[in-house]
Amino acid sequence: DSGVTQTPKHLITATGQRVTLRCSPRSGDLSVYWYQQSLDQGLQFLIQYYNGEERAKGNILERFSAQQFPDLHSELNLSSLELGDSALYFCASSPDGKAGNEQFFGPGTRLTVL
Amino acid sequence: GQSLEQPSEVTAVEGAIVQINCTYQTSGFYGLSWYQQHDGGAPTFLSYNALDGLEETGRFSSFLSRSDSYGYLLLQELQMKDSASYFCAVYQGGKLIFGQGTELSVKP
Repeated sequence: DSGVTQTPKHLITATGQRVTLRCSPRSGDLSVYWYQQSLDQGLQFLIQYYNGEERAKGNILERFSAQQFPDLHSELNLSSLELGDSALYFCASSPDGKAGNEQFFGPGTRLTVL
Repeated sequence: GQSLEQPSEVTAVEGAIVQINCTYQTSGFYGLSWYQQHDGGAPTFLSYNALDGLEETGRFSSFLSRSDSYGYLLLQELQMKDSASYFCAVYQGGKLIFGQGTELSVKP
């Protein structure tokens, strides 16, 4: 158990819908990262937050957005869902977001878009 | 841009030694990390090399050569539980960029 929690564990929805994935980082960690893992794309970095502010952005689609709240939990919002958005979404946290620091991954949310 | 190359699959027998290579092309290189992921599970951190040389942690070692843009993960005394996917990853501009992963199968 990494100490990072993610809800829900599984999510099944239809194309065109909107969903929200939630992540609570390890106690004391200020930085949160979101990753998407699909079979054909591997583990793709989406976005990083540090203490409520966006710090780095990957190839995150415009249909996707995220935020980190004052209590440091984070939410990833996916809208206008497409079949290709079906994937495992991981949240990770680290103490200060510095390069080389171990990132602690949550168990992931498996999203299925039908 | 950045890219990482690692073999897609490696097979070895229990008790053996296996080396998983990773070559990278990236600007603003800070270091090379390795993560392990069991099927469907969360990736877990194994090691980080910022400087050239070998880092050893128990049965696992990781090596980096910055001049060759190359690193490897060495797994010794392989156990069945080591069957998993192994990812190398580089930091660039605050982003952790992962390779496609190497699926290691350990046979009895």
